[in-house]
Amino acid sequence: NAGVTQTPKFRVLKTGQSMTLLCAQDMNHEYMYWYRQDPGMGLRLIHYSVGEGTTAKGEVPDGYNVSRLKKQNFLLGLESAAPSQTSVYFCASSYSSSGAYEQYFGPGTRLTVT
Amino acid sequence: LAKTTQPISMDSYEGQEVNITCSHNNIATNDYITWYQQFPSQGPRFIIQGYKTKVTNEVASLFIPADRKSSTLSLPRVSLSDTAVYYCLVGVLIYNQGGKLIFGQGTELSVKP
Repeated sequence: NAGVTQTPKFRVLKTGQSMTLLCAQDMNHEYMYWYRQDPGMGLRLIHYSVGEGTTAKGEVPDGYNVSRLKKQNFLLGLESAAPSQTSVYFCASSYSSSGAYEQYFGPGTRLTVT
Repeated sequence: LAKTTQPISMDSYEGQEVNITCSHNNIATNDYITWYQQFPSQGPRFIIQGYKTKVTNEVASLFIPADRKSSTLSLPRVSLSDTAVYYCLVGVLIYNQGGKLIFGQGTELSVKP
């Protein structure tokens, strides 16, 4: 039982490049989330999904897109990376509506945009 | 937009009780209050969650006053391994109704021998 895994762990992009971050969970959770964490700002919700085929915007969705084609996977895309997107990205999942349920977090992806 | 405020840092000694308070003046009726612990280079880990009054589990207690505008995480008898950043999370997401999840900026707890 791996819990929540994220791929890749580290990535360096040049401005304007695109990339996709992959999140996978093996707990059969309905809800999945993408957060970014910047120094002194806590975690901020980018997008979330309440089930396969559904996505919704969080607090800071601009510049990101997401897809949930399979229940166990949640993808975060950056179409044209900008230095302001340099951050640590965390994926999480929960059994049902959060914050009424515990979120399980992945280990994070450290992204640097130069 | 709702805001969640915590102290930036706290110091303690091994064996002491630590109380970390989070202010959330704009909490909504459906919002839950959850606390997470984060070690360097790891994702946050769930500690405790509550809606009102007091909740206790094997590692912590959570005190929520009647007006729910603040909450206090209590860690009994801390050890060096409790040195971490603690985050308060307020909100709820409900299918087809939206909602919000707002993390505080985190409290860096340093436990000294």
